[in-house]
Amino acid sequence: KQEVTQIPAALSVPEGENLVLNCSFTDSAIYNLQWFRQDPGKGLTSLLLIQSSQREQTSGRLNASLDKSSGRSTLYIAASQPGDSATYLCAVLWQAGTALIFGKGTTLSVSS
Amino acid sequence: DTAVSQTPKYLVTQMGNDKSIKCEQNLGHDTMYWYKQDSKKFLKIMFSYNNKELIINETVPNRFSPKSPDKAHLNLHINSLELGDSAVYFCASSRTGGGLYNEQFFGPGTRLTVL
Repeated sequence: KQEVTQIPAALSVPEGENLVLNCSFTDSAIYNLQWFRQDPGKGLTSLLLIQSSQREQTSGRLNASLDKSSGRSTLYIAASQPGDSATYLCAVLWQAGTALIFGKGTTLSVSS
Repeated sequence: DTAVSQTPKYLVTQMGNDKSIKCEQNLGHDTMYWYKQDSKKFLKIMFSYNNKELIINETVPNRFSPKSPDKAHLNLHINSLELGDSAVYFCASSRTGGGLYNEQFFGPGTRLTVL
């Protein structure tokens, strides 16, 4: 069964810390992997998409890596800010045109 | 703005009623989806349409009926609403193909509350 797991479920850090959010998935034959951000009561914002042939993607202070052989992806956030507080969702697409399978998310709280 | 839009944003209704949620995308995508986010915030696929054809139909009660009048629209009609239908429903779209295609973009969600 294709599943996505995110650990930890919640994380609290002081402002300025660098942090890593983890995502693991069963079945390494993925098509792509997306990281999303969801603010309370809001929709999903796509942060980064990594194709199966890529090892990492960067956008500003965010860096996402992909290791298919171990079934893992990490989202690295540099110099965290209170505005980064949100739930971060990892989602895997195993076949083009099919649905994303989501993890349950990591809720991040950055204190000033 | 290019985006995925949904209406209404909030929907409060009584048990037993019938309601519809509308979704439109102006991204030129050919595939659209309905996802449900339950009270524990877990997101799960319900339906997917590609070029107006149903391609994914997860184990969803047949009280839920999606309709795609054209590639840019995917509506969700729910009959005989039950308390357990209370959730946030997200519409998404993507362009199928290789490369950067298949990135899914989500609407703002519709929060359905059944009383």
